[in-house]
Amino acid sequence: SQKIEQNSEALNIQEGKTATLTCNYTNYSPAYLQWYRQDPGRGPVFLLLIRENEKEKRKERLKVTFDTTLKQSLFHITASQPADSATYLCALDTGGSYIPTFGRGTSLIVHP
Amino acid sequence: SQTIHQWPATLVQPVGSPLSLECTVEGTSNPNLYWYRQAAGRGLQLLFYSVGIGQISSEVPQNLSASRPQDRQFILSSKKLLLSDSGFYLCAWSPLSGAGYEQFFGPGTRLTVL
Repeated sequence: SQKIEQNSEALNIQEGKTATLTCNYTNYSPAYLQWYRQDPGRGPVFLLLIRENEKEKRKERLKVTFDTTLKQSLFHITASQPADSATYLCALDTGGSYIPTFGRGTSLIVHP
Repeated sequence: SQTIHQWPATLVQPVGSPLSLECTVEGTSNPNLYWYRQAAGRGLQLLFYSVGIGQISSEVPQNLSASRPQDRQFILSSKKLLLSDSGFYLCAWSPLSGAGYEQFFGPGTRLTVL
């Protein structure tokens, strides 16, 4: 069966360090992968999309990698700040479907 | 720019009562529209999606229904709520542009069924 796995344990890091979150998937052949941020009591906010033919994508302090051989995406936040504390969701879909499937998300806590 | 509205923000309803949640999108035409539910500590569960007026697809059989009476309006309903319907309901839209299908979420409705 198809599965998207994100670490259910919260990631605790110190301010200024790089946070790295992982999204693994099985039995998918996604055309692209998306990352969202969700704050408590709010809807998710789209951050980045990376296509299957792209190895890496950057936006300001964010970097996403996509390894279709390992079936894994890594999401990095450099120079992390307490304001980056939130839950981060990955989502996959295939090019023919406009409906992404979401992982459960990983909580990131950045300590000052 | 596009905006998405959901109301109400919070709702407390007794078991067996009806439900109507509304979602509207501004600043775009022919959006794909979605209803999700997020239970405490759980992931996003897709309930319904719509690619056009009157076109509704259901992902999960349950006592909920959805309607799209206008291009940018999406309504989630129930005739009789169950305790298990409690959760955080999110409406989302995406452009059918072929560019990537990122979704834009509303602020959500926190529903508590007692």
